[in-house]
Amino acid sequence: AQTVTQSQPEMSVQEAETVTLSCTYDTSENNYYLFWYKQPPSRQMILVIRQEAYKQQNATENRFSVNFQKAAKSFSLKISDSQLGDTAMYFCAFMKRTNDMRFGAGTRLTVKP
Amino acid sequence: GAVVSQHPSWVICKSGTSVKIECRSLDFQATTMFWYRQFPKQSLMLMATSNEGSKATYEQGVEKDKFLINHASLTLSTLTVTSAHPEDSSFYICSARVGRGNLETQYFGPGTRLLVL
Repeated sequence: AQTVTQSQPEMSVQEAETVTLSCTYDTSENNYYLFWYKQPPSRQMILVIRQEAYKQQNATENRFSVNFQKAAKSFSLKISDSQLGDTAMYFCAFMKRTNDMRFGAGTRLTVKP
Repeated sequence: GAVVSQHPSWVICKSGTSVKIECRSLDFQATTMFWYRQFPKQSLMLMATSNEGSKATYEQGVEKDKFLINHASLTLSTLTVTSAHPEDSSFYICSARVGRGNLETQYFGPGTRLLVL
């Protein structure tokens, strides 16, 4: 079974600074996808970024980027130029192809003005 | 991204009643949808996988007679909590699988808060 671990229950960052959220996972699969989802107070799950395991290049979406280390089974999220609207729960997720998604416990990020 | 809706967003019911929650894909067809449950300050726990035209696949520990899932069309899946009790109070979220192969991902509905009195 796949497990996803987020070891930082809470983090905070000053507005405009950079923060990195950690995620590790355990799998014997070679083909899979990794995701970061954001859940603001409204509780709507919002896709932040995704990464295909076969791609060595790290995914980037505007201020959000990942550091994907396949051998280490690590998938961290870097948020640059943090904004107040980035305050939310962040979930790391693992999905095998055509299969369901497994989530980490989440990291609560607070961006301070 | 793809849009998934849920209805209702809030429901309060008496113990012993049944509650139906709808999950719709608004601008795409979804052969597979998923139902999750989230308790306060916790992560999402997968309850079941809903496949259009076939029976749902339930995760271990989830009572299929308690949580009835129907996926009768390519745009609608429903979750019915039968004979609800206070311990069923939770936040229920659905998602729909979108894309194939390298483009595959999941988009989530806004969730339904259920409070059983």
